[in-house]
Parts: sequence; C-alpha cells; structure tokens
Amino acid sequence: DGGITQSPKYLFRKEGQNVTLSCEQNLNHDAMYWYRQDPGQGLRLIYYSQIVNDFQKGDIAEGYSVSREKKESFPLTVTSAQKNPTAFYLCASSKSTGSSYEQYFGPGTRLTVT
Amino acid sequence: DQQVKQNSPSLSVQEGRISILNCDYTNSMFDYFLWYKKYPAEGPTFLISISSIKDKNEDGRFTVFLNKSAKHLSLHIVPSQPGDSAVYFCAASRGSNYKLTFGKGTLLTVNP
Repeated sequence: DGGITQSPKYLFRKEGQNVTLSCEQNLNHDAMYWYRQDPGQGLRLIYYSQIVNDFQKGDIAEGYSVSREKKESFPLTVTSAQKNPTAFYLCASSKSTGSSYEQYFGPGTRLTVT
Repeated sequence: DQQVKQNSPSLSVQEGRISILNCDYTNSMFDYFLWYKKYPAEGPTFLISISSIKDKNEDGRFTVFLNKSAKHLSLHIVPSQPGDSAVYFCAASRGSNYKLTFGKGTLLTVNP
C-alpha cells in the first residue's frame, strides 16, 4: 500500500535535547512538507522540499532543521533552540507538477518535551 | 496576517441534515482550494478541491462552492452522518507554488 509513515507515534524528550522525527513516503512524490499543529490552531508550515537535496523554510522554521538526501525520506530535527517544541507534527507529500495540489498526510507524531 | 479564515470554531447539526462549513480568504492570488477532514491524533485526509476556474465541485455527499468575488468558499455535506464528526480544514494554494495555507479549522459534530 502506498502512503506516508511517521514514527514514532508518541515521543518524549527532556528539555535541551535535540530530537529527530522520521517521515517516509512510497508515493513517488517529489515534494514533502512538515507542519506542526497546536490546539485551536491550523497547520503551520515548518519546512518543505520540492526536490532531493533542496528545501526551503516555511512560516515557522526557527529551531528546526531538515534534510532531503533521498526522495522517500524527509526527517525533521527539533533542536533545543525551539522554544515551544511540544506539539503534534505532521509530514505530508505531494506531486510537484500537474494541476492538482493535494497533499497527503502521515499519521503524525506527538512530541512532548518536559 | 491570516490569509485563510474559518470564522466558526465549531458547528453542530443533526444527522440527516445539511452541514455547511465556511471559509474566507484574503489573498486574491489563491487559485486552488482544498478541504481536509481530521480526526484527533491522526493526519488530515483530503476530501475535495476546487480550481478557481470553477464555482462548484461535487463528490458524493460533498460539494464545494467557490465565490471568487466574495473570496469565499463553502463545503456542503448532505446528508450529514455521525461519522462526519471531525475537524474540517480549508486550505488554499496559488499558481505553481505547491505550498498550502490552512485555516484554523471548524469542529463539526453530527448528532444522531
């Protein structure tokens, strides 16, 4: 089955530690995205990548880093510089050509930092 | 500045009736609009979309209407079912830029 996997579902870390969230897709999509969702908020874009070895900052990139070494994978690192890291993190992917813009989402990772 | 607005945080309807979820946008460059449905602790799932060259798109029980002059779109669900209870997000995109801008969502509750 084609889809997007995120692991783990729940992640707990101590303040001051970096943590990396995994995102893998087998949809053969060129573009991948990271969002965070906070209670009562929409989805806010952290980083996105439209092609391997290239990525751009989204609206709230501070305190985060990404890499895109493979088409299938787009890991997100939440660094100790991120002031409010506790959130629900969502990875998505989409085609980067054509006339449809649908993004397909993974199941999300709930990160709790104490 | 919030470019996509969903002004109703919540909506409650009876099973079998129509649910109407509304979305307003401010950026006139947006030309593609999408609706997503999200259950708690899960990723959003794509429901339906509409291009700015159309004013209506229908898929089963779901219809999206676009009023470009008012910068307004709405999602109609007929008939509403209890399984439709979820948060619905409106999103918009412009041109060949595949980034999506999301609204804050509307929690729909369909009562049996």
